[in-house]
Amino acid sequence: AQSVTQLDSHVSVSEGTPVLLRCNYSSSYSPSLFWYVQHPNKGLQLLLKYTSAATLVKGINGFEAEFKKSETSFHLTKPSAHMSDAAEYFCVVSGGAGNNRKLIWGLGTSLAVNP
Amino acid sequence: DADVTQTPRNRITKTGKRIMLECSQTKGHDRMYWYRQDPGLGLRLIYYSFDVKDINKGEISDGYSVSRQAQAKFSLSLESAIPNQTALYFCATSDYGRGEQYFGPGTRLTVT
Repeated sequence: AQSVTQLDSHVSVSEGTPVLLRCNYSSSYSPSLFWYVQHPNKGLQLLLKYTSAATLVKGINGFEAEFKKSETSFHLTKPSAHMSDAAEYFCVVSGGAGNNRKLIWGLGTSLAVNP
Repeated sequence: DADVTQTPRNRITKTGKRIMLECSQTKGHDRMYWYRQDPGLGLRLIYYSFDVKDINKGEISDGYSVSRQAQAKFSLSLESAIPNQTALYFCATSDYGRGEQYFGPGTRLTVT
């Protein structure tokens, strides 16, 4: 079975400091992993994805994530937070076999960025 | 123009009313999905369709039905709305063989 756990429901950082949003996953298959972002009163936007190529994945807006199989983790990082990064972030694993994979969603991490 | 559109964007309705939420996409994707989002519960899958003739229940399909009118159109219906169906509803699409999904802007539904 596939599952995903976001280890922090809320993270607060100061503008200009690093961001770390933690995600652990469980998958019986070789997983595809994603991070999505949802700004207040907006839809969901794909930040980045891992699909068994390079383990360090770069996304939009300066975010990146590293796939660590030994730790079953896919943490999202950014070197320097910006006020516009304040949003809800979702870690997602693609579950199931073959081409019938569905997305398994974490419960989200709310990122606050303080001036 | 947005690739995935949803109508209406906001809707307030009364208990017992029938309501339809519509989704259209111009991405040319075969697969379409309906989710609801509730605070603290993340996104939960209601129904999904891998092509026009393929409809599947998700984890919370009770009280909902869907129709795939064409490759580009996927509608969600609440036959008799109830207050605990108050939520933010998202439509999404994906391409065959690719895991990532692309989302519409959402419909905020309130059932009073």
